[in-house]
Amino acid sequence: GNSVTQMEGPVTLSEEAFLTINCTYTATGYPSLFWYVQYPGEGLQLLLKATKADDKGSNKGFEATYRKETTSFHLEKGSVQVSDSAVYFCALSPNTNAGKSTFGDGTTLTVKP
Amino acid sequence: NAGVTQTPKFRILKIGQSMTLQCAQDMNHNYMYWYRQDPGMGLKLIYYSVGAGITDKGEVPNGYNVSRSTTEDFPLRLELAAPSQTSVYFCASSYTGRTEAFFGQGTRLTVV
Repeated sequence: GNSVTQMEGPVTLSEEAFLTINCTYTATGYPSLFWYVQYPGEGLQLLLKATKADDKGSNKGFEATYRKETTSFHLEKGSVQVSDSAVYFCALSPNTNAGKSTFGDGTTLTVKP
Repeated sequence: NAGVTQTPKFRILKIGQSMTLQCAQDMNHNYMYWYRQDPGMGLKLIYYSVGAGITDKGEVPNGYNVSRSTTEDFPLRLELAAPSQTSVYFCASSYTGRTEAFFGQGTRLTVV
């Protein structure tokens, strides 16, 4: 079956540090890949997405590239801010349109001033 | 544009009680989902629906039931609540099975 493995947290960084959160997946065919962010007390919201190999998703300074050869979709940001403190989830949707997305366990990021 | 609306936001149930968590979306999405999120954990799919009148089980369906009589609404029914059902419940919707999901704010349920 499909699976998503995320880098374990929690991750603590100082403001303006470089962020990488690793995400690898197992799926047949060409799934769509997503990063969601969850702020305290809220639901998940889409951060960025990529639907085919070599696509780069980007939003709010975050980027991730769909790497078919390494089955990865690592999240990066060049300079984090305190307001980026949240839980980040990597997810995939299979290419069968079956509607059963798979989520990683989430990585908690804390950014200190 | 309200998106996905869940009610209630908080609820405390006694063991053995029943309740219905409400979920409504106004985006005309075909796909709707119920997830639970335990503390420090990821999301587990309880039930999902690909359209009105069609529902299917996810990873953890035991103790829950759903119905989808309209495109907009997807209520989750808990029968005979147990402490193991203490969790945060999220409803979500998407246009297709491959597109991004839109989540509600969640319902924090405690069973005592």
